[in-house]
Amino acid sequence: GAVVSQHPSWVICKSGTSVKIECRSLDFQATTMFWYRQFPKQSLMLMATSNEGSKATYEQGVEKDKFLINHASLTLSTLTVTSAHPEDSSFYICSAARLGEQFFGPGTRLTVL
Amino acid sequence: AQSVTQPDIHITVSEGASLELRCNYSYGATPYLFWYVQSPGQGLQLLLKYFSGDTLVQGIKGFEAEFKRSQSSFNLRKPSVHWSDAAEYFCAVGYNTDKLIFGTGTRLQVFP
Repeated sequence: GAVVSQHPSWVICKSGTSVKIECRSLDFQATTMFWYRQFPKQSLMLMATSNEGSKATYEQGVEKDKFLINHASLTLSTLTVTSAHPEDSSFYICSAARLGEQFFGPGTRLTVL
Repeated sequence: AQSVTQPDIHITVSEGASLELRCNYSYGATPYLFWYVQSPGQGLQLLLKYFSGDTLVQGIKGFEAEFKRSQSSFNLRKPSVHWSDAAEYFCAVGYNTDKLIFGTGTRLQVFP
């Protein structure tokens, strides 16, 4: 139990386009989901906390207009990278909270050309 | 500032050997402490966690960790490593289970 999926697992896009990444809790409902960004050989950095039915809470330094987060249901949160640029290339990981524990998705590799 | 340090970027051990992965933290109060493992193509999996009580914590897959307040450390140990333990290991701390601060990770390689 407590499985979290992400789609797509990898995506390549052109600079200036927008990309949407989905995070789903498959077998439980999650009122809170988290989005992380991981650079090569670096740690996971929390980008934002996504709460179902309300606006996301962004960490300091994260552009909320660039990284749009929507938590429309108890099993789905989406991260949209708007007007992507090469510096947005990274590994994006989501997690869903259940009973005080975070369960992580497998991540999405974004490459912006 | 709150931070987590994993001094070893890469560790190589022989199968059957013992293992210790180091984790030091800087935090205002006694935090919640976690160890996660990340395998390629899979999400981070929780190995164990410490909230309070007994400072020696048992986790899954034969792992254990010891919280040492005086050293601000939470090192992960396993008495006998298996080839399937090869992965990336992350230490994390938080005031609660929501906002987590992760270390940079230690990549474990296991030789037969």
